[in-house]
Amino acid sequence: DTEVTQTPKHLVMGMTNKKSLKCEQHMGHRAMYWYKQKAKKPPELMFVYSYEKLSINESVPSRFSPECPNSSLLNLHLHALQPEDSALYLCASSQALAKNIQYFGAGTRLSVL
Amino acid sequence: QKEVEQNSGPLSVPEGAIASLNCTYSDRGSQSFFWYRQYSGKSPELIMFIYSNGDKEDGRFTAQLNKASQYVSLLIRDSQPSDSATYLCAVNKYIIGNNDMRFGAGTRLTVKP
Repeated sequence: DTEVTQTPKHLVMGMTNKKSLKCEQHMGHRAMYWYKQKAKKPPELMFVYSYEKLSINESVPSRFSPECPNSSLLNLHLHALQPEDSALYLCASSQALAKNIQYFGAGTRLSVL
Repeated sequence: QKEVEQNSGPLSVPEGAIASLNCTYSDRGSQSFFWYRQYSGKSPELIMFIYSNGDKEDGRFTAQLNKASQYVSLLIRDSQPSDSATYLCAVNKYIIGNNDMRFGAGTRLTVKP
């Protein structure tokens, strides 16, 4: 089973709203990732958690706040987003090993009005 | 120079032909290499991974790696219309417990019946 589950699948929010994206995996992976993907562009790495610790933060604005409550869960808290933040947000997980085979969830399509 | 470069295409091949997708990378310290397939509006799906120089075959797919030339390729034999998608090349570097994966811009492949 290589399933990474993301909820919700779609989200529409206003610029003053607070919302959260959720990601869950039960493969025993110890590394989890958030990516942002705009249309016709490749995924851009946002955050990496390794053994529940934030290990990479790619200079993402503070209106995006990641959280890793345990080894199976990853959240992305959203606050005061801008319309240009509208994108597909992808979660991935991998064994925290050099070979880093990442499996992606189906993504959350976010629209900021 | 981009970290991971791919020809954006579109690449068009007739059904049954061999599709050849290419990727170059700039960081000689990269250790693992991946091909993902992404259908429009969907998340990336892992197709192949390769770590060592040479060829790796899986069904109709063959990945080729040449670390000296910093070059990775994907061959799709007997191409089918269902192979029509964007193919993302991803390159990973592992540094002391952290993985840093970078994606190319993707090559759009169209297989014509």
